[in-house]
Amino acid sequence: AQSVTQLDSQVPVFEEAPVELRCNYSSSVSVYLFWYVQYPNQGLQLLLKYLSGSTLVKGINGFEAEFNKSQTSFHLRKPSVHISDTAEYFCAVTRNSGGSNYKLTFGKGTLLTVNP
Amino acid sequence: EAGVAQSPRYKIIEKRQSVAFWCNPISGHATLYWYQQILGQGPKLLIQFQNNGVVDDSQLPKDRFSAERLKGVDSTLKIQPAKLEDSAVYLCASSLDPGRRPSYEQYFGPGTRLTVT
Repeated sequence: AQSVTQLDSQVPVFEEAPVELRCNYSSSVSVYLFWYVQYPNQGLQLLLKYLSGSTLVKGINGFEAEFNKSQTSFHLRKPSVHISDTAEYFCAVTRNSGGSNYKLTFGKGTLLTVNP
Repeated sequence: EAGVAQSPRYKIIEKRQSVAFWCNPISGHATLYWYQQILGQGPKLLIQFQNNGVVDDSQLPKDRFSAERLKGVDSTLKIQPAKLEDSAVYLCASSLDPGRRPSYEQYFGPGTRLTVT
């Protein structure tokens, strides 16, 4: 079974500051990793994903994440945040099952609040 | 391309009443998921369908929750009778057939917010 730990439940930052949202995972098998964003009263939207290859992955809205296998981490970063980035961010993992039954396990989420 | 549709968006019921949620996945998506998201937590998978067959329902409280996906398209999730702890957002998601890439990518609907009083 897989598990995900998001180390910060809330992260307040000022506009144009850099931000890092931390995610650690646990799994005994190869995994795919994802970051989703959830704006108020909306569903989840995929920000970026790591499947294989380069450990630095870029996503939408200027976000990027780095996969670190030795530390079992997949931290999300953005060099300069905007007010519109205020949302809940979820890290998720699924077993790399080679094409069947991709069951996502989510962390508890990190609320990013960008202040002017 | 239309996204995943869900209705109703909000529902308030009293405990012991029943409630049903509806989901219409993205056209052509064979796999459909129902998640429960309790306030302050990440979504938790309740049930996964592939076409109209159940792939995983290990975390579905089967004494009160039921789900069906007739004809492999729309799906309904029912709770009967509801308890206070069922208050949550119920999210539906869909993805391509596992035989087609990228089947690991799930697309989520806006959710139904259920309040049980």
